[in-house]
Amino acid sequence: SQQGEEDPQALSIQEGENATMNCSYKTSINNLQWYRQNSGRGLVHLILIRSNEREKHSGRLRVTLDTSKKSSSLLITASRAADTASYFCATLHSGNTPLVFGKGTRLSVIA
Amino acid sequence: GAGVSQSPSNKVTEKGKDVELRCDPISGHTALYWYRQSLGQGLEFLIYFQGNSAPDKSGLPSDRFSAERTGGSVSTLTIQRTQQEDSAVYLCASSPRRGGNTEAFFGQGTRLTVV
Repeated sequence: SQQGEEDPQALSIQEGENATMNCSYKTSINNLQWYRQNSGRGLVHLILIRSNEREKHSGRLRVTLDTSKKSSSLLITASRAADTASYFCATLHSGNTPLVFGKGTRLSVIA
Repeated sequence: GAGVSQSPSNKVTEKGKDVELRCDPISGHTALYWYRQSLGQGLEFLIYFQGNSAPDKSGLPSDRFSAERTGGSVSTLTIQRTQQEDSAVYLCASSPRRGGNTEAFFGQGTRLTVV
């Protein structure tokens, strides 16, 4: 399976702390994307990093990609209670292939 | 509409009945995906349509599941002879898939409950 794996499965932190989530995958990628899901419904795209990029920032989000280790990390700095959600990585492997999602990390930010 | 629209939002059906789930993608998006998500779990890929190419059906769990996309726009996912294990949220997403823009835009899903 090409499915990515996030870890940890669940993470609980205090407001103001940083949250780090990791994603590993098995085969080479075109790009890797992170999504957020509230309340088990639609996902929202957060950030995309291409295979030739190593780091990307968007507001309080920082994503890194290590293609040699086939892994990525998502860092949320200065977390807020509103960041409580599930976070998924998704990989696009090549050409005309679908986005493949991992199992997600459930983040709880306690006020 | 501005986003991906799915209907119905919720569906309760009796075991053995057929159901149809509908997805209206964002206009102009060539790619359309269906995923299934059981409670507290990740997204399970079901089927992928891209332009006029043959759909990637590799994720369909059994021959009770089928999907079509008419005119490159609206898609219908059909589940025949529903079983209790089919209960899940069914998510549809569309994407431009052009010029490196591969971001997926999701609908709010259809929660299917088979009783």
